[in-house]
Amino acid sequence: QQQVKQSPQSLIVQKGGISIINCAYENTAFDYFPWYQQFPGKGPALLIAIRPDVSEKKEGRFTISFNKSAKQFSLHIMDSQPGDSATYFCAARSSGTSYGKLTFGQGTILTVHP
Amino acid sequence: EAQVTQNPRYLITVTGKKLTVTCSQNMNHEYMSWYRQDPGLGLRQIYYSMNVEVTDKGDVPEGYKVSRKEKRNFPLILESPSPNQTSLYFCATWGWWVDTQYFGPGTRLTVL
Repeated sequence: QQQVKQSPQSLIVQKGGISIINCAYENTAFDYFPWYQQFPGKGPALLIAIRPDVSEKKEGRFTISFNKSAKQFSLHIMDSQPGDSATYFCAARSSGTSYGKLTFGQGTILTVHP
Repeated sequence: EAQVTQNPRYLITVTGKKLTVTCSQNMNHEYMSWYRQDPGLGLRQIYYSMNVEVTDKGDVPEGYKVSRKEKRNFPLILESPSPNQTSLYFCATWGWWVDTQYFGPGTRLTVL
């Protein structure tokens, strides 16, 4: 059963625009929410992550917004660049008895047009 | 240089022939994990290990085995591969205290 739902599946943005990818989760026993970036032919790379006691985290042009009550979190890419074109995955790490287990969203293919 | 090494990178095999995909890391990370990536399904965790001799099932453990006898190595074993295990496999590590994570380059497995 899918516990992390990611949308949209694909996203096309113009250079300089804002890319927004959303994730929603069902299980409240998650304690860490990372985002990954994957380029074709490469493994995923940890991009940015947030813990549930924080509502927002910013690193450069990348920002995670976290809404604990709505069980949603999103990735915002400001001033999107063609080099940001990649597949993005959100994930959630389980706490409790399944501590360490990672559940991923289905992925979003981002294309940034020059 | 932080490195996660997977071998082999590409493998074509036949149904039922046991195989092992190795994963090795040089960062002394406690946590290691295996994922498979399939089109339309994203990344799914197979097994993970919190430390030596500690392993646990992810979302899709059926048909796979792992062992963690040493901190640096975490091999993935397919005792009797089947065509539905054709996939792209990634090993990853995670250092809790420094909160860094690295993925290996991937192993593309085809089971005929």
